[in-house]
Amino acid sequence: NAGVTQTPKFQVLKTGQSMTLQCAQDMNHNSMYWYRQDPGMGLRLIYYSASEGTTDKGEVPNGYNVSRLNKREFSLRLESAAPSQTSVYFCAAFPRDAGYTFGSGTRLTVV
Amino acid sequence: GNSVTQMEGPVTLSEEAFLTINCTYTATGYPSLFWYVQYPGEGLQLLLKATKADDKGSNKGFEATYRKETTSFHLEKGSVQVSDSAVYFCALYTGRRALTFGSGTRLQVQP
Repeated sequence: NAGVTQTPKFQVLKTGQSMTLQCAQDMNHNSMYWYRQDPGMGLRLIYYSASEGTTDKGEVPNGYNVSRLNKREFSLRLESAAPSQTSVYFCAAFPRDAGYTFGSGTRLTVV
Repeated sequence: GNSVTQMEGPVTLSEEAFLTINCTYTATGYPSLFWYVQYPGEGLQLLLKATKADDKGSNKGFEATYRKETTSFHLEKGSVQVSDSAVYFCALYTGRRALTFGSGTRLQVQP
C-alpha cells in the first residue's frame, strides 16, 4: 500500500524471543496505529500515537511496547513473545478525513 | 463504547448477483463511517466512506448510505464479479482515538 511500509513481512519466533516490527510512512501524518488481526475478531488496536513523541494504549496492549521517535516511524516491540501473539500485524497512518492508509502487514508466528 | 456489527460470513454469490453486506453501529456523537476491503494476503484498502447522515459513499460499483435513523451503513453492489472476492470491514471514527472495526465479512463469488 502506497505510503506505509512495514517490515518484515513474515517472521517466526520461538517463545520468549524478542523482536521489533518496523513501520514508516511518507505521508507526513501525525497519527499512526498498530493493530493485530485474528480470525473472526476483526482488527484490534494495540497502541496508537497521535503525534511525534506521544503514545497511548489501545484495546490489547499487554505484551507490547511502542516507540514513536519521529513523525515518520512507529515501531512495535515484543519483549518476550508468546504463542498468543501469533497474528497478522498492521500499521496504519491516518489523515483523519480520508480514512486509514494501511501497511501490507507482518505475519508473525510464535512457536 | 463504540462498536460495529457486521453480518457473519462467508457470503457466497454467483457472478453478477446482487450483494448486500449489513453493518450497524453504536457510537457516541456523529461518527464518520467507512468500508475497507482486504484481498488475500494484502492489507486493508479504503473502499468508500461517508462523513454525515444521508451521505452516500461509492467506489468501484459499491455503494453505502449513512442511515442515522437506523444506525446502519450497508454495503451494496448491483453485480458482483469473481475479482470482488475478499473480506469487507465496516468501521467508524468519532474523532477520538482510533477507528473501530467490525469483525469482517468474507465474500466468495463463484463464476
